[in-house]
Amino acid sequence: QKEVEQDPGPLSVPEGAIVSLNCTYSNSAFQYFMWYRQYSRKGPELLMYTYSSGNKEDGRFTAQVDKSSKYISLFIRDSQPSDSATYLCAMSRLSSGNTGKLIFGQGTTLQVKP
Amino acid sequence: DTEVTQTPKHLVMGMTNKKSLKCEQHMGHRAMYWYKQKAKKPPELMFVYSYEKLSINESVPSRFSPECPNSSLLNLHLHALQPEDSALYLCASSGAGVYEQYFGPGTRLTVT
Repeated sequence: QKEVEQDPGPLSVPEGAIVSLNCTYSNSAFQYFMWYRQYSRKGPELLMYTYSSGNKEDGRFTAQVDKSSKYISLFIRDSQPSDSATYLCAMSRLSSGNTGKLIFGQGTTLQVKP
Repeated sequence: DTEVTQTPKHLVMGMTNKKSLKCEQHMGHRAMYWYKQKAKKPPELMFVYSYEKLSINESVPSRFSPECPNSSLLNLHLHALQPEDSALYLCASSGAGVYEQYFGPGTRLTVT
């Protein structure tokens, strides 16, 4: 069993839809949760970062962490064709030396159709 | 400014060549990383430098040799690579006491 599970999709939605992207994980030691957006043939771009449980909102993006269920989500409101990309969840446990090793999900490919 | 730069953007090399990938950040971050990413897969960690010292080597073959000349620069020296080493090589950095990593645009490497 992988430490982080993420449905690879593809997920296709019409423009303006609310998108929900999710990851589950098995290691309760994870405390830091991130979402990255990666366009084709580009480097991952950090979208959202959350420590422990709770919600965080930034514009059209909302990240949720439920540590009791070991489940994290990214919501995209009013989705745009420019949101079409691969979304990677990543998480890390507290470690010495401030170099948390990121454990990535497989990535979900999202297509927003005009 | 959360920018990590990488050069070159593309690199084609033969199996007997020696080449280097370069990464630079000016965010004052003290941890820097090399990742390898194959198509439709997440990034795989290769090396971690913390305060200019190698702290993690994920059992990477010796044909990949990292170097951290100073706190802003990270190099990856390549020698005698195999075609299966063709991939997107990503550099990332993170600040002291934080865990989110900022990635560069990557170098797309093709080994012929």
